[in-house]
Amino acid sequence: EVQLVESGGDLVQPGDSLTLSCAASGFSFDSNWMSWVRQAPGKGLEWVANIKQDGSLTYYVDAVKGRFTISRDNAKNSLYLQMNSLRVEDTAIYYCARDLIKGASWGNWFDSWGQGTLVTVSS
Amino acid sequence: EIVLTQFPATLSLSPGERATLSCRASQNAYSYLAWYQQKPGQAPRLLIYDASNRATGIPARFSGSGSGTDFTLTISSLEPEDFAVYYCQQRSDWPNTFGQGTKLEIK
Repeated sequence: EVQLVESGGDLVQPGDSLTLSCAASGFSFDSNWMSWVRQAPGKGLEWVANIKQDGSLTYYVDAVKGRFTISRDNAKNSLYLQMNSLRVEDTAIYYCARDLIKGASWGNWFDSWGQGTLVTVSS
Repeated sequence: EIVLTQFPATLSLSPGERATLSCRASQNAYSYLAWYQQKPGQAPRLLIYDASNRATGIPARFSGSGSGTDFTLTISSLEPEDFAVYYCQQRSDWPNTFGQGTKLEIK
């Protein structure tokens, strides 16, 4: 069974940094692109970033480009999101998601999701 | 960026009825459209991808159709567990975008 478990969410102040983690199990982690998708409270879904199987390619939505860094450690079956210069509008549940299509790049479907971790940015 | 508009915003139906949810793209999305279901407090679940392909384990009462700019998710006979929020998503154009959602509620 595919399992994705996020951690690291917290209440932080604007301008702070935070790193989210996602522990994967139940599949060959190094075979899939992986993504972060976020959902502001009571709002819709927004794809944030994704990373290729070997970590050699990454893509980001414009709203986080230059502030967030996605990375992975295949030996630890783990995905990360380093978030710097956090803004109030980054407040959301952050989901780790598995990309369905192994040969695609930035564009993909998300066929497995974690339960999410809440990041709150507030002064 | 492709903007996806879902309608109606809320759909009130009874168990056993047929549900038809719509998603309109601001430009040609070809068949690069997916549908997700999200229940309160849960993560989204992939239902349909490439406009009409059911994801693994999704019941046959869920079907998708459409191409270009107009897409439809149909639930042939509603079960109590189908009442949720549904989102469409495109991967045709940068970046991946989602619609704002349709809430399917019990009448």
